[in-house]
Amino acid sequence: DSGVTQTPKHLITATGQRVTLRCSPRSGDLSVYWYQQSLDQGLQFLIQYYNGEERAKGNILERFSAQQFPDLHSELNLSSLELGDSALYFCASSTGQGNTGELFFGEGSRLTVL
Amino acid sequence: KNQVEQSPQSLIILEGKNCTLQCNYTVSPFSNLRWYKQDTGRGPVSLTIMTFSENTKSNGRYTATLDADTKQSSLHITASQLSDSASYICVVSPFNQAGTALIFGKGTTLSVSS
Repeated sequence: DSGVTQTPKHLITATGQRVTLRCSPRSGDLSVYWYQQSLDQGLQFLIQYYNGEERAKGNILERFSAQQFPDLHSELNLSSLELGDSALYFCASSTGQGNTGELFFGEGSRLTVL
Repeated sequence: KNQVEQSPQSLIILEGKNCTLQCNYTVSPFSNLRWYKQDTGRGPVSLTIMTFSENTKSNGRYTATLDADTKQSSLHITASQLSDSASYICVVSPFNQAGTALIFGKGTTLSVSS
């Protein structure tokens, strides 16, 4: 158990809909990262928050947005869903915002868009 | 362009046998190189993290090696078990950049059969 909690584990929805994925980082971790993993693809970085502030954006679509709340949990909002958005979405947390620390991944949220 | 290439793409071995997975990278300079194990549909779990000055690091039956001169790393699995069946991902951290700069390989899928 990494200590990172993601909900829901599975989500099935229709094109055009909007969903929200939730992540609770490990206790004490200030950074939250969101990644997308499509079938047979590597992990693609979407966005990072550190202590409530957006730190960096990766390949995140304009239809997607995220935020980190004062209690450090984070939500990833996906709107106007398309078939191609079907993927595993992972949240990871770390203590700092640099790249020397350990990343702890959650179990992921599997999104299926029909 | 910073890249991480892994080989082979997939591998099938018999239980009890050893195997070696390869990772070639073009990231330079780099801060550390990581190997993760990802079970199907689960979040990646860290196996090893090596700084640029380390040559080898072990975690039980997993041993990672690093040759910074040739920009190659390998992950050696000894006496494989059925539970080793997973995807193994090599990740390189560029030097002195934020955690968002982590560069992920696409992984090697290992299948261990009885």
